[in-house]
Amino acid sequence: GAVVSQHPSWVICKSGTSVKIECRSLDFQATTMFWYRQFPKQSLMLMATSNEGSKATYEQGVEKDKFLINHASLTLSTLTVTSAHPEDSSFYICSVRSYEQYFGPGTRLTVT
Amino acid sequence: SQQGEEDPQALSIQEGENATMNCSYKTSINNLQWYRQNSGRGLVHLILIRSNEREKHSGRLRVTLDTSKKSSSLLITASRAADTASYFCATDDSGGGADGLTFGKGTHLIIQP
Repeated sequence: GAVVSQHPSWVICKSGTSVKIECRSLDFQATTMFWYRQFPKQSLMLMATSNEGSKATYEQGVEKDKFLINHASLTLSTLTVTSAHPEDSSFYICSVRSYEQYFGPGTRLTVT
Repeated sequence: SQQGEEDPQALSIQEGENATMNCSYKTSINNLQWYRQNSGRGLVHLILIRSNEREKHSGRLRVTLDTSKKSSSLLITASRAADTASYFCATDDSGGGADGLTFGKGTHLIIQP
């Protein structure tokens, strides 16, 4: 299976700042990566599909100008939360897909 | 979109007992997967069952799938305190491999020692 890492593991930032989260596929070349968000005590919700070399596709209700996704290589996708607000505090998880989906360990974002 | 619905939402049992969680979904699926998540941690993949399979076993886990009822169940036998976690079903409703998974709301399982 694929090994997926995320950086950072957790981050605390001030309201109004931007935060970049990295998702790396360590042993698998992923043309597609997925970004999920999980609020406390809730389930995972797919935010967007990151496509290598092209624009990401966003799920309904997810602001593409707020959650910037860049997938510049087959092993790296980044999610930038711009002008973060406390309501953006969440657990962000990425995944890659070969036969199954392989998830990263997640990044906990807290916006104060 | 969120289509999986697990029940119960939460379940507390004694160590050694069996725990059963159910999941229902709405669309046609390619496969259904079960995941475990300990509090504040990442997902652990437990088992994948394809749409043409009816039952699958892995250690103390048994998963069933009824595509006519669009439902699945996860049975954990001889539960242990370490099984305390949230359990999610997730459906893969694509055939082409380009879509993400649709997760259910999860069942929070507590095993009392």
